[in-house]
Amino acid sequence: GENVEQHPSTLSVQEGDSAVIKCTYSDSASNYFPWYKQELGKRPQLIIDIRSNVGEKKDQRIAVTLNKTAKHFSLHITETQPEDSAVYFCAAHGRGKLTFGQGTILTVHP
Amino acid sequence: DADVTQTPRNRITKTGKRIMLECSQTKGHDRMYWYRQDPGLGLRLIYYSFDVKDINKGEISDGYSVSRQAQAKFSLSLESAIPNQTALYFCATSDGTYSQPQHFGDGTRLSIL
Repeated sequence: GENVEQHPSTLSVQEGDSAVIKCTYSDSASNYFPWYKQELGKRPQLIIDIRSNVGEKKDQRIAVTLNKTAKHFSLHITETQPEDSAVYFCAAHGRGKLTFGQGTILTVHP
Repeated sequence: DADVTQTPRNRITKTGKRIMLECSQTKGHDRMYWYRQDPGLGLRLIYYSFDVKDINKGEISDGYSVSRQAQAKFSLSLESAIPNQTALYFCATSDGTYSQPQHFGDGTRLSIL
């Protein structure tokens, strides 16, 4: 089955800096890659996604890149703010289901 | 999304008890999922269903069963609960067309003593 590895497990940045989270996947059949943000005690919420026919997608301060050949994709957050502090999960969708990475705890210090 | 409702939100019970977690949705989605979340392990898929007559095991289905009573309802049962099933459980839904994002409920925090 699919295997998704996510790094780093924790990331600490100063407000205004950029943050990058990287994921790799194993199944070449995976064709959809969402990113979720989970605040403490809350449900995971979709923040951005990318499909396999696209290399990059941006939404305001958030961007995602996908390299199908290398089977890796990344989340980029620019101009980080304290409210960006949360756990972020990448996921790969293939063969009808999502496989999640282990999560990255992002802390943005004011 | 308030459109995916899980009950109960919290449950404390004892080893050996039968427990049912319920999920209902008003999004009109065909696909429903149950996940388990443990610290440091992300979200792991327990069972999923693409329609009322379709049930599939996920990566950690042992010790769990499910029932898809209607398009809008998908319940998860622990027949004889054990302490290592203590976790946060999420239900999710998605549209059946092509790859679509999943929408999560608020979760059920389950503690088994």
